[in-house]
Amino acid sequence: DTAVSQTPKYLVTQMGNDKSIKCEQNLGHDTMYWYKQDSKKFLKIMFSYNNKELIINETVPNRFSPKSPDKAHLNLHINSLELGDSAVYFCASSQDGASGITGELFFGEGSRLTVL
Amino acid sequence: QQQVKQSPQSLIVQKGGISIINCAYENTAFDYFPWYQQFPGKGPALLIAIRPDVSEKKEGRFTISFNKSAKQFSLHIMDSQPGDSATYFCAASIKTNAGKSTFGDGTTLTVKP
Repeated sequence: DTAVSQTPKYLVTQMGNDKSIKCEQNLGHDTMYWYKQDSKKFLKIMFSYNNKELIINETVPNRFSPKSPDKAHLNLHINSLELGDSAVYFCASSQDGASGITGELFFGEGSRLTVL
Repeated sequence: QQQVKQSPQSLIVQKGGISIINCAYENTAFDYFPWYQQFPGKGPALLIAIRPDVSEKKEGRFTISFNKSAKQFSLHIMDSQPGDSATYFCAASIKTNAGKSTFGDGTTLTVKP
């Protein structure tokens, strides 16, 4: 029973297309994230949602639009894909705030996006 | 401005040896220092973490050493095994806000049999 699951695991698409990645967590956490890991394995936060509310929006092109229909789901839609968008995108969740316990991030297995 | 600097970028160790990865941070507000382990094709997973009120934490073969005054912390893997071959990330965050986690650039560890 996967704690943080994201689909699809692989996406291969042409430049200019639009694609979406879905994420679900069954840990009951309040906060979910999207991270980008580039070819050098650098991890960079893109967005953070707390109870469906956007709380972190790093310098990301507005072609990237996250959407959180409820606190267990956080999806990422990417418009007009570019070559530089090729990366592995990780969804993560944590339990923060007054009820926070450890500050630990729980990551999904990643979605590898390849833009041709 | 990179807030967490990690070194080395890559490390090759013989089986049974000690692997040491170092990190340095700048923001004194950080109060939670985790290490994440990432295997190829998988997401990072918490390996071990420490808070600044202790100088060392040990879990099995993995030990974090923490030097608050120097703003440095390190991961030691004793008796390194080929199964430890992975990418290791140090991070620093504020406990009640994991979203403020700042990651190091990662260290690729290869343990040769």
